[in-house]
Amino acid sequence: GAGVSQSPSNKVTEKGKDVELRCDPISGHTALYWYRQRLGQGLEFLIYFQGNSAPDKSGLPSDRFSAERTGESVSTLTIQRTQQEDSAVYLCASRPDRVGNQPQHFGDGTRLSIL
Amino acid sequence: GENVEQHPSTLSVQEGDSAVIKCTYSDSASNYFPWYKQELGKRPQLIIDIRSNVGEKKDQRIAVTLNKTAKHFSLHITETQPEDSAVYFCAASSWGAQKLVFGQGTRLTINP
Repeated sequence: GAGVSQSPSNKVTEKGKDVELRCDPISGHTALYWYRQRLGQGLEFLIYFQGNSAPDKSGLPSDRFSAERTGESVSTLTIQRTQQEDSAVYLCASRPDRVGNQPQHFGDGTRLSIL
Repeated sequence: GENVEQHPSTLSVQEGDSAVIKCTYSDSASNYFPWYKQELGKRPQLIIDIRSNVGEKKDQRIAVTLNKTAKHFSLHITETQPEDSAVYFCAASSWGAQKLVFGQGTRLTINP
């Protein structure tokens, strides 16, 4: 079936603008994750959604970052008043359910460049 | 919480030789250990995983070993090929955990 879909694939914007990134998880996957990956670096956890439970926002780096997800559908990650240090690839992943020992499936990411 | 350390950060091997990447974890409750391969500009892709009820798992040229006592697990790639060049990430989680904790990655380069 279809994999995790992210849009846009690339986004270039000016410092100070707001951006919205979209993730469409694999159908039926209740768990959804957002990660940030700076150039040449590892995967930095941002936020986790599980069904209708309260999200785990422990990885969000500042209050400029927020994310939403309605039920088990699409999620959006919003970055307000973007800064140059926000430049990175933002990866979304989904997993079938809340049980820990299953793999996450990643999307292709959104490459965000802040001028 | 869980902490995963991965070594080495970079690894260069001759084509045809073997490559080994090692990870250690801190939480003895962790019981699931996937490995992801990320080619340049691409998404991380699961290549192999192991659960704590087994000590080794193989899939063609790739194998993973797990030492629960020592809390470390390793990825072994034999007969390396140029297409094995990528960044490899290990990760760990426990049954009740909701997040995978990732290592920092190993950049593997296969020299022709």
